[in-house]
Parts: sequence; structure tokens; C-alpha cells
Amino acid sequence: KAGVTQTPRYLIKTRGQQVTLSCSPISGHRSVSWYQQTPGQGLQFLFEYFSETQRNKGNFPGRFSGRQFSNSRSEMNVSTLELGDSALYLCASSLDPGAVNYGYTFGSGTRLTVV
Amino acid sequence: QKEVEQDPGPLSVPEGAIVSLNCTYSNSAFQYFMWYRQYSRKGPELLMYTYSSGNKEDGRFTAQVDKSSKYISLFIRDSQPSDSATYLCASLQGAQKLVFGQGTRLTINP
Repeated sequence: KAGVTQTPRYLIKTRGQQVTLSCSPISGHRSVSWYQQTPGQGLQFLFEYFSETQRNKGNFPGRFSGRQFSNSRSEMNVSTLELGDSALYLCASSLDPGAVNYGYTFGSGTRLTVV
Repeated sequence: QKEVEQDPGPLSVPEGAIVSLNCTYSNSAFQYFMWYRQYSRKGPELLMYTYSSGNKEDGRFTAQVDKSSKYISLFIRDSQPSDSATYLCASLQGAQKLVFGQGTRLTINP
């Protein structure tokens, strides 16, 4: 069965621009989470969506936003890009993270470089 | 201070050695603990999870949690070159948020 698909794989943007990243979860998975991974901070939680509702949000500025569609696909948006936003952005899906047994399946990520 | 602390390494051991990877955490409310493996240019992959204190074994991998000392361990027996990857410990905060350690880069030398 298909895994978590993230597009695009690589992206180069200029400071001040905005960017939209896409995530298609595993079929049947209704929960989608987003994480930022950097060498300095490691993996940090951005937000989680379930049935089109944001249930939890990490400690990131309002420039980071997301949404989930009725088919469970999710997008995240970063506005007014800063150099420090350069990172690997990972999406994870789960049947329902309230049941740990289901686990979280991660995509391969989108590598964003801000120049 | 990070809620989950992990030595980033790098750690290099010969093939066949027993590998010990460790993390500490500070939040007493953490109940679920996971180990993820991440290969280069890939997302993290769940290896094992444990609930509360105790041991869990899966093939060559053993996960241990000691809640009294807030210590999480992963042991890899008979290590193989294919085990070379970054290993991340994590805990579940609430129902939706994973809190990760920094990750330890492990190399198994043939």
C-alpha cells in the first residue's frame, strides 16, 4: 500500500516569499501531523489535524499555518520566509493518534532551502 | 532544557557488537515511549514503542524504560551495517504530539 506522499521533495525559495507544502496520508488515515527537522533543534512538532480540525499546535510563529481537506490530504503554508525556516518538513499520518498502537508513518519530507 | 535529551553522537561500532542508545526525559507525565530509525534522505520509521516502565523485545532490538530515573534505552544485538542510521527516541505528549530527542547517528563498520 502507498505510504505518506509529500510534494515537492525539494524547494528553494527567497526570503520574504511564501511556500505551500503538500502531504497525502496513507489511505484511511485521518490524522496528519507536521514536523520541522533541523540540525540544531532536531524534530519539532508544528501541528496536527484530524477530520479537518487542528487539534494541537506547537510553539511556532503564526507564519506557519496548515489545513486539512475532506479527503484527509493536508497542506502547510509558511509566509514571509526567513533563512531560519530552511529545514526538512515532515508529515506523519495515523489512523488516530489517540490509539498508540496504530503508530505514526512519516513521509520522506520536503527539503526547503531559503536563500 | 529539552524535554527529551539524547546524545547526538556520532557512534561508530564494529559489526556484530551490541549497541546501546540512551535518552533521558524530564516530563513525568510521559507514558508512551518510541524509538524511530531514520535513514539518510528518508523520514523516521517506527521501530518500537513501550508503555510506562519495562522491557520490550523485537528480534535483535530491545527497548527499556525506567520511569523512576526517566531513562529510555534501545539495545541492538548482533549489529549489522544495515543498522547504520540515525536513531531517535520520542515520547507522546497528550494524544497527538511526539516530542523527540536530538537523534544519535550510528555507524556499524563491516
